Amino acid sequence: GAVVSQHPSRVICKSGTSVKIECRSLDFQATTMFWYRQFPKQSLMLMATSNEGSKATYEQGVEKDKFLINHASLTLSTLTVTSAHPEDSSFYICSAGRLAAGNEQFFGPGTRLTVL
Amino acid sequence: QKEVEQNSGPLSVPEGAIASLNCTYSDRGSQSFFWYRQYSGKSPELIMFIYSNGDKEDGRFTAQLNKASQYVSLLIRDSQPSDSATYLCAVNPGNAGNMLTFGGGTRLMVKP
Repeated sequence: GAVVSQHPSRVICKSGTSVKIECRSLDFQATTMFWYRQFPKQSLMLMATSNEGSKATYEQGVEKDKFLINHASLTLSTLTVTSAHPEDSSFYICSAGRLAAGNEQFFGPGTRLTVL
Repeated sequence: QKEVEQNSGPLSVPEGAIASLNCTYSDRGSQSFFWYRQYSGKSPELIMFIYSNGDKEDGRFTAQLNKASQYVSLLIRDSQPSDSATYLCAVNPGNAGNMLTFGGGTRLMVKP
């Protein structure tokens, strides 16, 4: 149990285009979903937290108009990188939280974004 | 600033040895503690969590928690080359749902 999918796994796009990444919890309802970014050889950086039906909470320094998050249901959240630029190239990882004994987060497989 | 600290490593151990990974945290009110493993180029996967003082064992892995010392560790017995990865310690403050604060990770290398 506790499987999280993420799509696409890899995307290459031209500068100025927008890219949408989907995150789904497949076998449980996620009370909260999280979006992280990770640059090579660096640690995870939390970008935003989203709860179903409400606006996402963004971490300091993360532009909410550039990284649009929609949490449409208890099993689906999307991250749209608008007007992507080469500096947005990174590994984007979502996670889904399950309220259980340990309040675990389960991670999707990640999306590697390359902006040319 | 609530912090989770880990030695970045690399920690190098020979195959078959015990690998000991350590983590300290600053928020004394933290309730639950997690260890994730992350292979290069992959996303983190949950190994185990602990929320009571003492030891918790799962196969070759043992998590140890000492809330008084604000210290959590992960022991890996009979280390295998396939255990070579970065191990992330994460802490849940207990009043923020599933929110986790991550340490920077310790890179473990198990040499055949």
